[in-house]
Amino acid sequence: EAQVTQNPRYLITVTGKKLTVTCSQNMNHEYMSWYRQDPGLGLRQIYYSMNVEVTDKGDVPEGYKVSRKEKRNFPLILESPSPNQTSLYFCASSLRQLSSYNSPLHFGNGTRLTVT
Amino acid sequence: DQQVKQNSPSLSVQEGRISILNCDYTNSMFDYFLWYKKYPAEGPTFLISISSIKDKNEDGRFTVFLNKSAKHLSLHIVPSQPGDSAVYFCAARNAGNMLTFGGGTRLMVKP
Repeated sequence: EAQVTQNPRYLITVTGKKLTVTCSQNMNHEYMSWYRQDPGLGLRQIYYSMNVEVTDKGDVPEGYKVSRKEKRNFPLILESPSPNQTSLYFCASSLRQLSSYNSPLHFGNGTRLTVT
Repeated sequence: DQQVKQNSPSLSVQEGRISILNCDYTNSMFDYFLWYKKYPAEGPTFLISISSIKDKNEDGRFTVFLNKSAKHLSLHIVPSQPGDSAVYFCAARNAGNMLTFGGGTRLMVKP
């Protein structure tokens, strides 16, 4: 089954403790991206990657890191999490960067992160 | 400042009636618009889209209308079904192929 898989689904951590949220897609997509969803603000892009070893900042990259060493994986790293990073995170991928009817974004099921 | 806004956080509609979800944008350079649907505990899924060179796109029960002069798009669902109850996000694409999402509208279709 074609899918984007994120782990873990739920994570509670404390301020300053480094964490990684994994993301993997099995559709051979070039483009991958991370979003955070907050009430009333919709989905805001954190980082994206157009292909292996190519990453770039989205709208809200502060406090996050990513890497794209393999085409299928795009982990999100929080080196020193803070309470304002408490949010619902989504990983997404598409065949190409172009977001259209023939290259829509496919989303994972989300990771709910709580930083205390 | 949010470039894509969905001013109604929620909408309640009777089964069988029309649901109209609205979205306003400020950036005239957006060239493509999409609607995504999200159920609880799942990621958003692509629903329907429209290019800025068109004013209407229809797919089954779903129709998206674009009014460029008003910088407004809407999603019509006819007839509405209980399974349509979800959060709907509109999104707009800019020249750099980046998507900007609205804040979402929660649709509740009552049987």
